[in-house]
Amino acid sequence: DIQMTQSPSSMSVSLGDTVTITCRASQDVGIYVNWFQQKPGKSPRRMIYRATNLADGVPSRFSGSRSGSDYSLTISSLESEDVADYHCLQYDEYPRTFGGGTKLELK
Amino acid sequence: EVQILETGGGLVKPGGSLRLSCATSGFNFNDYFMNWVRQAPGKGLEWVAQIRNKNYNYATYYAESLEGRVTISRDDSKSSVYLQVSSLRAEDTAIYYCTTGSFDYWGQGVMVTVSS
Repeated sequence: DIQMTQSPSSMSVSLGDTVTITCRASQDVGIYVNWFQQKPGKSPRRMIYRATNLADGVPSRFSGSRSGSDYSLTISSLESEDVADYHCLQYDEYPRTFGGGTKLELK
Repeated sequence: EVQILETGGGLVKPGGSLRLSCATSGFNFNDYFMNWVRQAPGKGLEWVAQIRNKNYNYATYYAESLEGRVTISRDDSKSSVYLQVSSLRAEDTAIYYCTTGSFDYWGQGVMVTVSS
């Protein structure tokens, strides 16, 4: 199975920060990585698809990038509504696999 | 508007079985692959299963940790997808989400608790 190693597992952040979360794939997954935001008690929301594409309705302060087997989600000028859990997912191969998640917390 | 609604969760004894249902509307269900994803309390997301559409002969794929205990199926006439889970264990306790093939649309989830 492809492992998606997500880091950090948690991050203490301040409003206005630029935040970067990374997932490293254990094998080549091409562009087939999604990023999800999940708030407490809510379903995940797709934020980025195919590694770099902004999903509908997602603010432009969110962006996705790829460098080799490393995939990153960057939030520029963090707002209070961005404080949440974030998950990456590879959907290049079966079984689909998620990263372990990153919890953003306000300082 | 896309709507996805999971039902069928609840409290089940270890060793029991459960059938989860996912009713959808607002998109052309027949064209979509569909997934089940679960999340144990306080844990991350875990992909469970996928079923492809008719063009792909309704091919199914499963997480290895659950293979042999789960069956995903669909009824295109009802725009619905199902997940049958058997031999339930405490570690199957989770919220089970129904989501489209590219994970763009998600239901609100249904809680399954396995406990004696």
